[in-house]
Amino acid sequence: DIVMTQAPLSVSVTPGESASISCRSSKSLLHSNGITYVYWYLQKPGKSPQLLIYRMSNLASGVPDRFSGSGSETDFTLKISRVEAEDVGIYYCGQLLENPYTFGAGTKLELK
Amino acid sequence: QVQLKESGPGLVQPSQTLSLTCTVSGFSLTSYNVHWVRQPPGKGLEWMGVIWSGGNTDYNSALKPRLSISRDTSKSQVFLTMNSLQTEDTGIYYCNRNLGYWGQGTLVTVSS
Repeated sequence: DIVMTQAPLSVSVTPGESASISCRSSKSLLHSNGITYVYWYLQKPGKSPQLLIYRMSNLASGVPDRFSGSGSETDFTLKISRVEAEDVGIYYCGQLLENPYTFGAGTKLELK
Repeated sequence: QVQLKESGPGLVQPSQTLSLTCTVSGFSLTSYNVHWVRQPPGKGLEWMGVIWSGGNTDYNSALKPRLSISRDTSKSQVFLTMNSLQTEDTGIYYCNRNLGYWGQGTLVTVSS
């Protein structure tokens, strides 16, 4: 199985500042079709996960452009510019390249 | 408007069989894939399996011996059946469309 490793496990951010979360996969997530199958989700307290970024760098519908995704074949970054109170929760990266699809352990974002 | 809603028994006895239903609206099951993902209390996400728009299924190999996913397209429903439940199967079970739109989840507790 592909292992997804996130860092840090928790981050505390002052509102208005930026935050970055890293994710590393144990195998390249670049498909031969040129698409990198890494996804980012936010799970707000008591809620279902919501899709933020798909295929490494594409913003999901309705997601503020303060969120952005980037990376290479095995190393990925989610950046949140100008963090707001509504961004609090647990962020997960996931790989949708091969069965079984797997997720990182999550990064908890809190406000200072 | 895309919606998914999970339903099923909140409590299941150990060694018994779990049956969950995901009722969808706003899209056709013959056009989109539906995945099941579960989350143990306070832990991360585990992908369970998928029923593809064409009706084929794929499962997480760790669960495959116990898991079955099916659907009734006329009722816009997807079904999850998992047998031989143990306490470690306790958690929130989510269905989602293409790992994008997620249902609210349903809590399943395995206990005698």
